[in-house]
Amino acid sequence: AQSVTQPDIHITVSEGASLELRCNYSYGATPYLFWYVQSPGQGLQLLLKYFSGDTLVHCIKGFEAEFKRSQSSFNLRKPSVHWSDAAEYFCAVAHPGGGNKLTFGTGTQLKVEL
Amino acid sequence: GAVVSQHPSRVICKSGTSVKIECRSLDFQATTMFWYRQFPKQSLMLMATSNEGSKATYEQGVEKDKFLINHASLTLSTLTVTSAHPEDSSFYICSARDLMGKETQYFGPGTRLLVL
Repeated sequence: AQSVTQPDIHITVSEGASLELRCNYSYGATPYLFWYVQSPGQGLQLLLKYFSGDTLVHCIKGFEAEFKRSQSSFNLRKPSVHWSDAAEYFCAVAHPGGGNKLTFGTGTQLKVEL
Repeated sequence: GAVVSQHPSRVICKSGTSVKIECRSLDFQATTMFWYRQFPKQSLMLMATSNEGSKATYEQGVEKDKFLINHASLTLSTLTVTSAHPEDSSFYICSARDLMGKETQYFGPGTRLLVL
């Protein structure tokens, strides 16, 4: 069975500092990979996704994630964090052609110090 | 972008009553919708997959008679929590897969259910 690990439950960074949120997956082949962000009391918003092709994907909010097959990782990065980035971040995987079921990691709570 | 709405956003009910939660895809059609449950400080757990025009598929451990799902159209799925009890209190989130959107799910804002 596929699984997703987000080793960091909480991360605190200063505004303007760089950020990396870790995500590792366990799966027999390359799954589809996603990062979602959840603000308090709200649903999830898709940040970015990887299906195939260029292993570095970007989104308009300044985040990027890099798929590294050798490490089974899909870490999320941002060069300079803004206070509004404080939220919970979830990494998720889906089996290609597997009925679109998403398996989520346990999430990383990001706090931004001003 | 694709928008998914949920109604109500928050509901408080007495133990023993039933609660219906609606999930709508506003600007796209979704043959498949998903229902998740999220406990405080935890991740989302898939409860069931809702398929338009057919019976929902429930994950192991989820009681289908407790959590009734109806997906009557390409833009609407409903989850009814029957005879709700305090342990059913949770944050329920739906998502919808765009017909054209290849494995991408768009999430609703969630419904906070509190059973007294």
